[in-house]
Amino acid sequence: GAGVSQTPSNKVTEKGKYVELRCDPISGHTALYWYRQSLGQGPEFLIYFQGTGAADDSGLPNDRFFAVRPEGSVSTLKIQRTERGDSAVYLCASSLSGDPQETQYFGPGTRLLVL
Amino acid sequence: ELKVEQNPLFLSMQEGKNYTIYCNYSTTSDRLYWYRQDPGKSLESLFVLLSNGAVKQEGRLMASLDTKARLSTLHITAAVHDLSATYFCAGLFQGGSEKLVFGKGTKLTVNP
Repeated sequence: GAGVSQTPSNKVTEKGKYVELRCDPISGHTALYWYRQSLGQGPEFLIYFQGTGAADDSGLPNDRFFAVRPEGSVSTLKIQRTERGDSAVYLCASSLSGDPQETQYFGPGTRLLVL
Repeated sequence: ELKVEQNPLFLSMQEGKNYTIYCNYSTTSDRLYWYRQDPGKSLESLFVLLSNGAVKQEGRLMASLDTKARLSTLHITAAVHDLSATYFCAGLFQGGSEKLVFGKGTKLTVNP
């Protein structure tokens, strides 16, 4: 079946602009996660949704970052007033119910470059 | 706060040789995950280790978990070029969330 999909695959923007990154999880998965991966590093947690609600947003670096999942499926990560330091690969993952025994399946990522 | 350390960070090995990647974590984490990442690609799940003493094998890779030592290992047997990739271990943060805390990764290069 279809895996986690993310759009766009690449995004180039200018400093100060607003961007939206989209994640389409595996159908039926209630748990959705956003991670950010900088070059040469492991992914860092940003936010976790269980259904429509953000169960843990402790990884969001500041109030320029916001994410929504209004209908419990597709999620959008929104970044306001982008900075060069926001450049990274943004990864989305989903799992069936969020149970720790389950695998988190990762999407291909969106490569964000802020000039 | 859970911290995950992998070593080595870079590993170059000959085909046919054996080697082990180590993953240490700082606080209680009963779950340990191993992922593979090819250049420019996303993460592929390899193993989910759920309890102390868990051992899982897939092909030339074998992963184990020792929760008392806070150590997981990924053992590579008779390496082949196709195993060249970056391998990440991740612990599960225990604090009401299911977020994974990743190590920095081990970049493995298998030379013919």
